[in-house]
Amino acid sequence: EVQLVESGGGLVQPGGSLRLSCAASGFTFSDHYMDWVRQAPGKGLEWVGRATNKANNYITEYAASVKDRFTIARDDSTNSLYLQMNSLKIGDTAVYYCARGRIIGSYRGFDCWGQGAPVIVSS
Amino acid sequence: DIVMTQSPLSLPVTPGEPASISCRSSQSLLYSNGYNYLDWYLQKPGKSPQLLFYLGSTRASGVPDRFSVSGSGTDFILKITRVEAEDVGVYYCMQAVQTPFTFGPGTKVEIK
Repeated sequence: EVQLVESGGGLVQPGGSLRLSCAASGFTFSDHYMDWVRQAPGKGLEWVGRATNKANNYITEYAASVKDRFTIARDDSTNSLYLQMNSLKIGDTAVYYCARGRIIGSYRGFDCWGQGAPVIVSS
Repeated sequence: DIVMTQSPLSLPVTPGEPASISCRSSQSLLYSNGYNYLDWYLQKPGKSPQLLFYLGSTRASGVPDRFSVSGSGTDFILKITRVEAEDVGVYYCMQAVQTPFTFGPGTKVEIK
């Protein structure tokens, strides 16, 4: 069964840092790009960024709203995706989802999502 | 960035009746390979989003055939032939032709 499980969410003060993890199973993790999507309370979905795969040199891309503050990393040896969030702002409060992205030569949408990790930025 | 819009934003429906959601993009989503990089997702209440369609018109696994999509370029439509109670939730379109990927604001479908 294809599965993504996020962890590491919690309460953090403005200006603080937090690292989310996403554990993948049931598929060849290293083949896929992996994405982060967030959803502020009562709001819609916002793409945060993605990590491409080895074939694409592990290039990372980010939304302008998080660029230079958030860093996406992956460890193909442990099938794990990470989101390091620094200089957190109140506006970063959201549920953060990891999602399975494309593979080289084939786009199939975000066909698997985790259950979400809540992040609350508050003093 | 590509701006995605949806209409309506709220859609009360009667079970058994049809429903339709429009999605528009500020730039063409038609890529040089002939595919439209447009996805549809449904987020049921309290759940993570789930994929309905990708590349404009390819149905994701397990999606009932009462759901259909049409459109190309900048204008797309998601149709439900006969709405069922389990179809309630928020429907999002998302463009994947270029990063940053962007979602529409969502259309909330609820039973009358």
